[in-house]
Amino acid sequence: AQSVTQLDSQVPVFEEAPVELRCNYSSSVSVYLFWYVQYPNQGLQLLLKYLSGSTLVESINGFEAEFNKSQTSFHLRKPSVHISDTAEYFCAVSVGGYQKVTFGTGTKLQVIP
Amino acid sequence: DAGVIQSPRHEVTEMGQEVTLRCKPISGHNSLFWYRQTMMRGLELLIYFNNNVPIDDSGMPEDRFSAKMPNASFSTLKIQPSEPRDSAVYFCASSPGTGARETQYFGPGTRLLVL
Repeated sequence: AQSVTQLDSQVPVFEEAPVELRCNYSSSVSVYLFWYVQYPNQGLQLLLKYLSGSTLVESINGFEAEFNKSQTSFHLRKPSVHISDTAEYFCAVSVGGYQKVTFGTGTKLQVIP
Repeated sequence: DAGVIQSPRHEVTEMGQEVTLRCKPISGHNSLFWYRQTMMRGLELLIYFNNNVPIDDSGMPEDRFSAKMPNASFSTLKIQPSEPRDSAVYFCASSPGTGARETQYFGPGTRLLVL
């Protein structure tokens, strides 16, 4: 079975500073990897996903994540955060042929003005 | 286009009462998921359906929980009898296909409080 680890439960960062949210997964087979974002009092929404091909994937609002198979990681980065990025971020993994997605415990990003 | 619709948005009930949560997935989506989110346990998958058929209900906590999907546009999650430990936010999500690559689209959630 696959699993996801998000070691940081909370990450405070000053506005316009860079940020990295860490995600590690374990699986014995090929995986698909996702980052979802949850704004206060809302449902989760997809930020970006890795399915195949280029290991670097980007979102429309400046986030990027890199799939690293050797380190079994899928860390999320943004070079300069904005107040509006304050939210909880969930890393998730699924494996081919089985639609069940396993979510991490989430990382709360707090952007400080 | 309308997203996933859940009702009610908030529910307060007393222990022992029956609770029914409702979900309307995005039109044309083939898969539907029910999740529960709590501070202690995070986001847990309760059950998911493909083409209205339950595929995996291993996350359903116990017999007090049941879920149905009578047609492609409607699903319910029922708790009977409810207990205080069922207090949580319950999310419904849908996806356009049935594969592991699919994005899930979440509703706004139902915040349940059992007194």
